[in-house]
Amino acid sequence: QVHLVESGGGVVQPGRSLRLSCAASGFTFTTYTMHWVRQAPGKGLEWVAVLVYDGRNKYYADSVKGRFTISRDTSKNTLYLQMDSLRDEDTAVYYCARTRGPYSSGWYFDYWGQGSLVTVSS
Amino acid sequence: AIQLTQSPSSLSASVGDRVTISCRASQGITSALAWYQKKPGKAPKLLLYDASSLESGVPSRFSGSGSGTDFTLTISSLQPEDFATYYCQQFDNYPPLTFGGGTKVEIK
Repeated sequence: QVHLVESGGGVVQPGRSLRLSCAASGFTFTTYTMHWVRQAPGKGLEWVAVLVYDGRNKYYADSVKGRFTISRDTSKNTLYLQMDSLRDEDTAVYYCARTRGPYSSGWYFDYWGQGSLVTVSS
Repeated sequence: AIQLTQSPSSLSASVGDRVTISCRASQGITSALAWYQKKPGKAPKLLLYDASSLESGVPSRFSGSGSGTDFTLTISSLQPEDFATYYCQQFDNYPPLTFGGGTKVEIK
């Protein structure tokens, strides 16, 4: 049974940092490409970042490039999103999501976490 | 970045109706398109991938078609549990991955 459980959300002031975690279970974590996707209040879905299964290749949306960092700890089967220099517009529910199929180059998502709310406000 | 335009942005329909949602890409994406269902407070759910392949466990009333730039999601007979927002997502040319703006299906 695949499970993705996010944690680490909360209220943070603009300019500050926050780190989200996504604990994965039920599959071989190191063989899957993993993503972060967010949804701002009343808005649609926005892809944020990806960590390819090789653990080396990472890509970001332009809106977060240079401020957010995706990483993983394979000993803990956990995906992270380090969010620095947060802005009001980063307020959203953040989901971690798994690419369907191991070693897959088709980047769509078959499993999602329940989401973690990040609120950036002074 | 490839832009996806969904239409309509919202629609009202009754249980049993046939519903069609369109997704148009700003450039050709072959069949690299997925559809998701999103309900408030819940994670998105994968419905279809590769434009027309039904994800395991998804009811057969959901179907998808199209290739290149024009795609369609069809719900053949709308059920009460289908009232939600639907998103298309392209995975042909990335990064970035992109989603359509969403189509909210409401009860008439």
